[in-house]
Amino acid sequence: QLQLQESGPGLVKPSETLSLTCSVSGGSISSSSYYWGWIRQSPGKGLEWIGHIHYTGSAYYNPSLKSRVTISVDTSHSQFSLRLSPVTAADTAVYYCARRGPYGSGSYFDYWGRGTLVTVSS
Amino acid sequence: EIVLTQSPGTLSLSPGERATLSCRASQSVSSSFLAWYQQKPGQAPRLLIYGASSRATGIPDRFSGSGSGTDFTLTISRLEPEDFAVYYCQQYGTSPYTFGQGTNLEIK
Repeated sequence: QLQLQESGPGLVKPSETLSLTCSVSGGSISSSSYYWGWIRQSPGKGLEWIGHIHYTGSAYYNPSLKSRVTISVDTSHSQFSLRLSPVTAADTAVYYCARRGPYGSGSYFDYWGRGTLVTVSS
Repeated sequence: EIVLTQSPGTLSLSPGERATLSCRASQSVSSSFLAWYQQKPGQAPRLLIYGASSRATGIPDRFSGSGSGTDFTLTISRLEPEDFAVYYCQQYGTSPYTFGQGTNLEIK
């Protein structure tokens, strides 16, 4: 059974960098069919797609966040990561990592991590 | 950006009743690339329906999806106690891939 687990600091100061890692187990991160994504959920904005990446390194971002986001992949450790900088209080949310299927008919998120709360505050 | 509007915001029903949840898109959703998710408190969203009408693995057949273009519906034929949760629709045909604001299905 595929499992995803987010990790990283729960508190980030304004203007600094939010960094999270998602560890994938029970399946291969290097499957050509799948993408690995980040979604966040806040009371104010609901669920928001941040971006996703293929194991080859091709990444796709939400235009509203693109200037501040970088998603990277480390196949040797079966992990992918999110960096968001600089952050403000509006970036306070639960951050989820998830698997996304092939482009087109399969592009929904079928496996999700449990989520991790990140609070932006001084 | 495609805006998804879900209605009603809150739906109060009793176990055994039928639930009908709506998701309306601000423009046509490509090839019915629409999914439904269920979320319970403290948990991640769980995929229920993809392609507007296909059930995900392990999802009971009391859950069904329908619709095309701009209007989509999730129907739960006979509510079980574990079905009371928040439901979200998501379109994955056009970037940015957007979610609705959710329908809270609560016990009456």
